[in-house]
Amino acid sequence: NAGVTQTPKFRVLKTGQSMTLLCAQDMNHEYMYWYRQDPGMGLRLIHYSVGEGTTAKGEVPDGYNVSRLKKQNFLLGLESAAPSQTSVYFCASSYPQGLQETQYFGPGTRLLVL
Amino acid sequence: LAKTTQPISMDSYEGQEVNITCSHNNIATNDYITWYQQFPSQGPRFIIQGYKTKVTNEVASLFIPADRKSSTLSLPRVSLSDTAVYYCLVGVPPNDYKLSFGAGTTVTVRA
Repeated sequence: NAGVTQTPKFRVLKTGQSMTLLCAQDMNHEYMYWYRQDPGMGLRLIHYSVGEGTTAKGEVPDGYNVSRLKKQNFLLGLESAAPSQTSVYFCASSYPQGLQETQYFGPGTRLLVL
Repeated sequence: LAKTTQPISMDSYEGQEVNITCSHNNIATNDYITWYQQFPSQGPRFIIQGYKTKVTNEVASLFIPADRKSSTLSLPRVSLSDTAVYYCLVGVPPNDYKLSFGAGTTVTVRA
């Protein structure tokens, strides 16, 4: 049981390049999330998904797209990377039980955009 | 959408009890209160969750007064390994998941 895994762990991009971050979970969780964390700051929600085939915007969705084609995977895409997207990206998944919820986080992907 | 306010930082010494208070004045009737811990270069980890009164597990205790407008995370007898950022979240998925983790409280434990 690997929990939540993220690929890649680290990436350097040039401005304007595109890339996809992969998040995978093996806990059969319904909900999945993508956050970004900038130095010295908390996590800000980019997009989330409450089930296969559905996605929704979080607090900071601009410049990112997501897809949830399979329940266990949640992809985060950057179509044209900008230096402002340099950050650490965390994926999380959860299985709400009534009004309670516990999120399980991946180890993060460090992205540097030059 | 319940906004939370926590102290930016707290210092403590090994063996002491650390109490972190989170204010959430506009908490909704259905909202649970959840605390996460984050070590450097790692993703956050769930610590404890509660709705009212007191909740205790092997790691921490969570105290919630009757009006639920605040909550206090209590870490008993901290060690150096408890140095981390602690986040308070209030909300119910998925509607409140436009909410994000605030800056949290950086707890530094010294020898």
